[in-house]
Amino acid sequence: SQQGEEDPQALSIQEGENATMNCSYKTSINNLQWYRQNSGRGLVHLILIRSNEREKHSGRLRVTLDTSKKSSSLLITASRAADTASYFCATWSGANNLFFGTGTRLTVIP
Amino acid sequence: DSGVTQTPKHLITATGQRVTLRCSPRSGDLSVYWYQQSLDQGLQFLIQYYNGEERAKGNILERFSAQQFPDLHSELNLSSLELGDSALYFCASSVGVLGGTYEQYFGPGTRLTVT
Repeated sequence: SQQGEEDPQALSIQEGENATMNCSYKTSINNLQWYRQNSGRGLVHLILIRSNEREKHSGRLRVTLDTSKKSSSLLITASRAADTASYFCATWSGANNLFFGTGTRLTVIP
Repeated sequence: DSGVTQTPKHLITATGQRVTLRCSPRSGDLSVYWYQQSLDQGLQFLIQYYNGEERAKGNILERFSAQQFPDLHSELNLSSLELGDSALYFCASSVGVLGGTYEQYFGPGTRLTVT
């Protein structure tokens, strides 16, 4: 399966701390995307990184991609209670659909 | 608000029944995707339509079918429902035909409970 796997499955941190979650996948990809899902709601796109990029920033988000290790990481700096959500990586290998990982559940404690 | 709408928000029905879930994509988006999210299976891609035509199939059961209409809204039909079909069903849309080129915009989902 091309499905990514996030690690850790769950993460609990204090407000103001940084949160890092990792995604590993199995096949070569064209791009990798990160999505956020608040409890029971639709997913929201956060950032897309292409296979020829190594790092990308968007506000408090920093994403890295290591295609040799088939892994990506999402760093959220200076976390806020509102960042509490599940975070999914999704890989695209050129076919018509994205493959979503299993998700990391982040809890930010005020 | 993603611009993608889904109805109904909640649906409770009995085993063996048939239901229809509806999705309206974001204005200008030609692709519609259906996903199923359950606790044990995670987020599973079901099917994609682009401008009225089926473009990709994922883990969609034969009891499920979908279509996209000329006005680009889409419907997902689930029949002979089983308890295991209880899940959140999401619709997403994107501008292009290739599902990963650009971001996908997700609707709020329909929570289906089969009793």
